[in-house]
Amino acid sequence: SQQGEEDPQALSIQEGENATMNCSYKTSINNLQWYRQNSGRGLVHLILIRSNEREKHSGRLRVTLDTSKKSSSLLITASRAADTASYFCAFANAGNNRKLIWGLGTSLAVNP
Amino acid sequence: NAGVTQTPKFQVLKTGQSMTLQCAQDMNHEYMSWYRQDPGMGLRLIHYSVGAGITDQGEVPNGYNVSRSTTEDFPLRLLSAAPSQTSVYFCASSSQNRALKPDEQFFGPGTRLTVL
Repeated sequence: SQQGEEDPQALSIQEGENATMNCSYKTSINNLQWYRQNSGRGLVHLILIRSNEREKHSGRLRVTLDTSKKSSSLLITASRAADTASYFCAFANAGNNRKLIWGLGTSLAVNP
Repeated sequence: NAGVTQTPKFQVLKTGQSMTLQCAQDMNHEYMSWYRQDPGMGLRLIHYSVGAGITDQGEVPNGYNVSRSTTEDFPLRLLSAAPSQTSVYFCASSSQNRALKPDEQFFGPGTRLTVL
């Protein structure tokens, strides 16, 4: 399968705690993207990190990329109940392929 | 801007019927794609297009056709519906970066399809 792998599959934390999700892939990439999906809704883009970048921030979100380990992590700090959602990584390969490949997602539950 | 629109939101078909899921975007994006999402399977790419007149297959193209006659529209056709095509279908669009790779994806709200 070309799919990326995410772990953990599910994560349950208390409000105020930090949540970390990981994504691994097998090929060289051009960029890696993180998305959020609330139950029954479409996906919303969070952050895109390019292969020559190592870290990006957006509000309470921090994404890191380690191309030597072929992995990325998404950190949500000071989580809120509204962060409860599924989080997906997606990446574009560096070769001729123009497809976007998706991980299976991490289901995050933030308990009030 | 309306972003990415999909119609219908819900559809029930009988086995063997055909139908077209509509997708339109008003952001002048070159890249458009169709995904299906099933429980525990994540998003699986059905077909994608990198511009008007250009389409290519994704991971699970069998049973589906697409065309891209304009930049705005990217309809997905189910030729002869089967129960295995029961799923939630998402259309997405994006611009392409200098390496012609898809950037930030904008998703439509999805179509819930049930095939009996």
